[in-house]
This record gives sequence, structure tokens and C-alpha cells, in this order.
Amino acid sequence: GAGVSQSPSNKVTEKGKDVELRCDPISGHTALYWYRQSLGQGLEFLIYFQGNSAPDKSGLPSDRFSAERTGGSVSTLTIQRTQQEDSAVYLCASSLVTSGGTNTGELFFGEGSRLTVL
Amino acid sequence: SQQGEEDPQALSIQEGENATMNCSYKTSINNLQWYRQNSGRGLVHLILIRSNEREKHSGRLRVTLDTSKKSSSLLITASRAADTASYFCAHSGYSTLTFGKGTMLLVSP
Repeated sequence: GAGVSQSPSNKVTEKGKDVELRCDPISGHTALYWYRQSLGQGLEFLIYFQGNSAPDKSGLPSDRFSAERTGGSVSTLTIQRTQQEDSAVYLCASSLVTSGGTNTGELFFGEGSRLTVL
Repeated sequence: SQQGEEDPQALSIQEGENATMNCSYKTSINNLQWYRQNSGRGLVHLILIRSNEREKHSGRLRVTLDTSKKSSSLLITASRAADTASYFCAHSGYSTLTFGKGTMLLVSP
């Protein structure tokens, strides 16, 4: 598809279970971001991938959160032993990075994965 | 926190009126961007203004940037009911983009 694709769109899980959220970025976009948005709130940065560089994990809230990006394309965000406070919409975005390594700026967002932890 | 702040948090106007939203940030920036989010949807990029620019226009949107005050404003002219959404500013250093908490705009017919 032409846009950023996220799955699942909705996930309901029980406290303590692990969940995986998937992001398929726009083809050719080397930068990929994960953000979290709680109800009525702004976006909280989680993690950033750029090409083959080490990811910027500075926003991950705890060691229960991890993410990987395979082959420089698809990314998976994993939350282990989910807690009720993990309930939020998880947004993925991708962007184009110029040959000079500078981020062109505009982020293209997916529709998000809404996670509800009971 | 390096998060920006939007002001006001909520704005309610009539169709045809102009809407102005403000954004402040705390760090040096490479550029500043505005995004729109319809309820339950992802964010859509509206406009980007670089740190060496002071004003930019796109259709009914006008963005200003004052780096000395670390602030920006978004003006939507001749608003329409379809402009109802949340609007976020985001400032960019080299890599990550830091978003504010947003302004919720309601445009009534």
C-alpha cells in the first residue's frame, strides 16, 4: 500500500500477557518512529530507527517494552507482561532521510493500534 | 521534559471565523511542524517551517515562527466545520520529533 500500515488496529488483552504490534512503513522510508498516545493526550516518543544505525530507545518507558526493525523495513513493538497503564494508542510513523543523512522532517503516520489491557 | 506546549487546549469557533493556535518549545530546533488529527485517526502533516524562516503559507494555513521567543502560531482562516480536529505542533532537532499536547478545535456550522 501507499501509506504506513499498522496491525492490529485494535487489541484487547489481559494484564500480564505479552503483545506484539506491527508497523509496515512506506517503501523507501529509512526512518521509523513509534509513539504512544494516551486518551486525550499528546504523543509520547518511544523509539526511533534510522537505517542501520543503533536505534534511539530513550523513550521506552520500561524494560517491558522493546522494538525491532527487520531488514530495514517492518517493525514490531513488543510489550511484555502488559499492565493497565499500557492501554493507549500506539502510533507508528516513517519518514524519508536525505542522502546527506538529514531527516526531511515530514512524518507519515499509520492509523495506530489501540491497545486495551483489562 | 522537552515537550512543547500548545495554547489554548481547546478552541470553539463558528464557521467562517479564524482560528489561532500557539505553540511554545524549550530547545533549539531544526524545524517546527504542525499536524492535524481527526478523532480516532492517525496524524496528518500540515506544514513545516524551518528555523531560518519566519512565516509560511499553505492554502488557508499561515504559520509563524519566532525563534527568539521559542514560539510558533498556526492560523486557520475562514474555518469550516471539516476543520474540527486536534492540532499538534512538533519540533525537530536532528532526528526525533517532539510533540506538544495539542489544541482541540471545534468549528460549529
